[in-house]
Amino acid sequence: VQLVESGGGLVQPGGSLRLSCAGSGFTFSDYWMHWVRQAPGKGLVRLSRIKTDGSSTNYTDSVKGRFTTSRDNAKNTLYLQMNSLRAEDTAVYYCVRENTYGFDIWGQGTKVTVSS
Amino acid sequence: SYEVTQPPSVSVSPGQTATITCSGDKLGNKYVCWYQQKPGQSPVLVIYQDSKRPSGIPERFSGSNSGNTATLTISGTQTMDEADYHCQAWDSNAAWVFGGGTRLTVL
Repeated sequence: VQLVESGGGLVQPGGSLRLSCAGSGFTFSDYWMHWVRQAPGKGLVRLSRIKTDGSSTNYTDSVKGRFTTSRDNAKNTLYLQMNSLRAEDTAVYYCVRENTYGFDIWGQGTKVTVSS
Repeated sequence: SYEVTQPPSVSVSPGQTATITCSGDKLGNKYVCWYQQKPGQSPVLVIYQDSKRPSGIPERFSGSNSGNTATLTISGTQTMDEADYHCQAWDSNAAWVFGGGTRLTVL
């Protein structure tokens, strides 16, 4: 059972980036999924949540209108489209599986740096 | 929006009991999870539903939640337990909110 993120990197302020997260070893379509980020030296912040079939999403206020989460259950993949990036979006981004009792599977994280 | 608060740091001597708190309004009415994060690694769930341990988590990790405070207790703390610990509150309103994290130092 694992989640593997990809797509991080260096991007200029105002730019865009799309993160991907591939799930394996479990029935991906059975689980709500989240994106969580951690800025350098800071705590965890939950960014978004997506329902099993992708029909419902919600976002924390700081990324609402700029970030979009989606999923392709046929490919067992979760996405995070990030637009209008700011310096404060610099962080490690984690893809996380929600079980009924908590966040039980975390990806290894992908680093995003927003800088000119 | 709902918020939970943790102390930035806690220190404990090896073999002693470490206590890390997480505070929030009527937190006892919500479920609390605790995650351990070692440097350069992803978080790992160590307590869920206030006091339950996932398989593979040592018995020295325990949790409680009542009133406005949830507590993670590590009995017989080992040097390998040195890490950041994050609490997380959940109910339909809290929607999986994290605390700011507590750095546990074992010295």
